[in-house]
Amino acid sequence: RKEVEQDPGPFNVPEGATVAFNCTYSNSASQSFFWYRQDCRKEPKLLMSVYSSGNEDGRFTAQLNRASQYISLLIRDSKLSDSATYLCVVNTPGDSGGSNYKLTFGKGTLLTVNP
Amino acid sequence: GAGVSQSPRYKVAKRGQDVALRCDPISGHVSLFWYQQALGQGPEFLTYFQNEAQLDKSGLPSDRFFAERPEGSVSTLKIQRTQQEDSAVYLCASRRGTGGHTGELFFGEGSRLTVL
Repeated sequence: RKEVEQDPGPFNVPEGATVAFNCTYSNSASQSFFWYRQDCRKEPKLLMSVYSSGNEDGRFTAQLNRASQYISLLIRDSKLSDSATYLCVVNTPGDSGGSNYKLTFGKGTLLTVNP
Repeated sequence: GAGVSQSPRYKVAKRGQDVALRCDPISGHVSLFWYQQALGQGPEFLTYFQNEAQLDKSGLPSDRFFAERPEGSVSTLKIQRTQQEDSAVYLCASRRGTGGHTGELFFGEGSRLTVL
């Protein structure tokens, strides 16, 4: 089982739609969780961190369920500019002394928002 | 510039050729990572440096891959005797601290390697 698994996608939605991305992780020792965004042929960039209590940043809402080892990202009122690949990222213990330095990425889910 | 800089941006190599990819992280960033991203996949961890120490090289696919960061700043990823399956984008990333909670991972634009 892969350490971080995401919805395979792709998602095609009209402008204004609400879209949800789901992600599960396998290592219960994981401590930090993030969503990164990657535009076509560009580098990944941090979209938002995910906190246990859930957090919101404008149209974006992230949720974490540690018991289920599940992370989600909700985008409301989607814009054309939201078209990108969304990467679920989990901080996992590395191979060196158990230190949690390592970020493990999911495969990503491609979102296309259509006019 | 203030970001992570990688060179070359594009590299075409003949099978069997050696290549070297350079990463210049953000000044003062302790942590440096190399990731490999194949088409349609997420970035896959290759190796991690804390300053000049290579603490984790568990993701390097074979002994043809070698990375170094001798002075704790610039890093080089070297691939010997390249194979077609090495074709991918190689992403370098740096972070101010050491733990996964210690801030954002900043990526360079990547080096796109094509092996013919």
